[in-house]
Amino acid sequence: DTGVSQNPRHKITKRGQNVTFRCDPISEHNRLYWYRQTLGQGPEFLTYFQNEAQLEKSRLLSDRFSAERPKGSFSTLEIQRTEQGDSAMYLCASSLDRDRFSYEQYFGPGTRLTVT
Amino acid sequence: AQSVTQLDSQVPVFEEAPVELRCNYSSSVSVYLFWYVQYPNQGLQLLLKYLSGSTLVKGINGFEAEFNKSQTSFHLRKPSVHISDTAEYFCAVTPSGGYNKLIFGAGTRLAVHP
Repeated sequence: DTGVSQNPRHKITKRGQNVTFRCDPISEHNRLYWYRQTLGQGPEFLTYFQNEAQLEKSRLLSDRFSAERPKGSFSTLEIQRTEQGDSAMYLCASSLDRDRFSYEQYFGPGTRLTVT
Repeated sequence: AQSVTQLDSQVPVFEEAPVELRCNYSSSVSVYLFWYVQYPNQGLQLLLKYLSGSTLVKGINGFEAEFNKSQTSFHLRKPSVHISDTAEYFCAVTPSGGYNKLIFGAGTRLAVHP
């Protein structure tokens, strides 16, 4: 088990372009979360999947953001028409929906997005 | 709604000295509490968690934390720090019985000096 992986690790894009990030959770984990972390701040919740169902989206997730988790495995986060304010670290986490283990979220290394 | 306040943005300390990182939370419902550590250019790693039971929780790397319900605090302590403990530390809460989205504090930068 290699843990949660995220690709790419770094992305530099020009304002107005679309970007897509991928998260591969730990294989048996059915819960998947996306967070955003800006410089000097703690991570902020963006969205949550239970298997393939997206059960909550934060108000931080504007219409330009969309996330999917087809077949309940990997997840993608797409940002359309990027803005400079989207520059941040995007973190993915997963957990196992089984009793007390459901409270242990395992984080990936993150994708750092820079919008120029 | 829940919120988390980490009272110190930076804590400098000498190697082998004790350290305490302070965390207070606010919530109208019962919560579970966590401390995570983030090393440079890495994701977050769970240090310890409080779900129920004993209010003194021991975690990895010699860290421990004490849950104080009356003071709504969950301070992190280590009796003797190492250079390798230099990192960003985040306190987080989640409402008990929910699907566990984490609400984080702004973080405390622990800098251990030789």
